[in-house]
Amino acid sequence: DVKVTQSSRYLVKRTGEKVFLECVQDMDHENMFWYRQDPGLGLRLIYFSYDVKMKEKGDIPEGYSVSREKKERFSLILESASTNQTSMYLCASSPPWGVQTQYFGPGTRLTVL
Amino acid sequence: EDQVTQSPEALRLQEGESSSLNCSYTVSGLRGLFWYRQDPGKGPEFLFTLYSAGEEKEKERLKATLTKKESFLHITAPKPEDSATYLCAVLLPGGNTGKLIFGQGTTLQVKP
Repeated sequence: DVKVTQSSRYLVKRTGEKVFLECVQDMDHENMFWYRQDPGLGLRLIYFSYDVKMKEKGDIPEGYSVSREKKERFSLILESASTNQTSMYLCASSPPWGVQTQYFGPGTRLTVL
Repeated sequence: EDQVTQSPEALRLQEGESSSLNCSYTVSGLRGLFWYRQDPGKGPEFLFTLYSAGEEKEKERLKATLTKKESFLHITAPKPEDSATYLCAVLLPGGNTGKLIFGQGTTLQVKP
């Protein structure tokens, strides 16, 4: 079974803090994704990566950055957290060929105070 | 513009009352359509992938079908444990990046 894990299920941070969210997948997938999910807005793509050290902006990259130093790990960084970044953050991975099904992690509920 | 629309937004059923959820899409050159189930506070769980019009997939009480413009998720004799939000997503054409467009989801509540 594909397994995608995220470093925290719940996180509470203060405005202005630097926040790291980590995601690890064990299926040797090239593609990895970070989404945020908000009521009424659905899933929105923040960043994705199709290979180690490669990244592309998604639909809402402002205020975020990412890092992919190893194939299995994809980190989302909030450089200076703000209250409007309070959200559910979801990581996913997929192979670059064939079915390309995305498999999701359990999510991190981030609250910025 | 590539778009995915799900209806209804919310659906309440009595246990055993069969129904269907709709996912309509406007994407040129469909390469794949995905259905996910999401429980509150959790990540989406993969259910089905459909590739071409006429294709059907089944899993327990769920059956997904696909036409050239829409997909249906049929729920037969649902149980309370089927209560969840069901998400539909379409694979964007071009490249191997695997980017998806998601619909807003249908929240299903099944009452005993």
